[in-house]
Amino acid sequence: NAGVTQTPKFRVLKTGQSMTLLCAQDMNHEYMYWYRQDPGMGLRLIHYSVGEGTTAKGEVPDGYNVSRLKKQNFLLGLESAAPSQTSVYFCASSTDRARPGYTFGSGTRLTVV
Amino acid sequence: GIQVEQSPPDLILQEGANSTLRCNFSDSVNNLQWFHQNPWGQLINLFYIPSGTKQNGRLSATTVATERYSLLYISSSQTTDSGVYFCAVHKGGSEKLVFGKGTKLTVNP
Repeated sequence: NAGVTQTPKFRVLKTGQSMTLLCAQDMNHEYMYWYRQDPGMGLRLIHYSVGEGTTAKGEVPDGYNVSRLKKQNFLLGLESAAPSQTSVYFCASSTDRARPGYTFGSGTRLTVV
Repeated sequence: GIQVEQSPPDLILQEGANSTLRCNFSDSVNNLQWFHQNPWGQLINLFYIPSGTKQNGRLSATTVATERYSLLYISSSQTTDSGVYFCAVHKGGSEKLVFGKGTKLTVNP
């Protein structure tokens, strides 16, 4: 099925541990994004990429790193997890800037204890 | 940065009722989208509507760009319409899609 796939779907981390969230899309989209969703806050952009090999900071980038080595994959890394990073993480991809049709993954629920 | 405000924050309806959700934004935008997040968390793109009116079944949306607002209409609501509806805007020159905080809709049978 075409779309955006996120792995894992759930994860519990201890404070200070590291992990990588994987986002894969098979629609040949240029643009990819990582958002976090917290209660009452809507979705906030963490990092984004406008093409293979590029990344840029969004609204709330601190504590996260990203890489886009292949066009279809966008990785989000937490080097040293903190309880404030407990959230639901969504990956999205879109076609182009002029008429971006966003497709979201199903989300990763991360709890940092 | 651009601000997006949605109202009402919560809405409870009986099945079959109609509703209007509003999105106000603080600056001119190139792109406005409405999303539905179902109770399982999945975000579905409903409309791409930077201006004008679009309809899809029981849902329709209108954006008046000059007055910086958009409306989402839901007619004959069903329990499956429950969830959170987000408005999100994109300003020219920026890659960011800025989301409002959403309207939580509950449709009771």
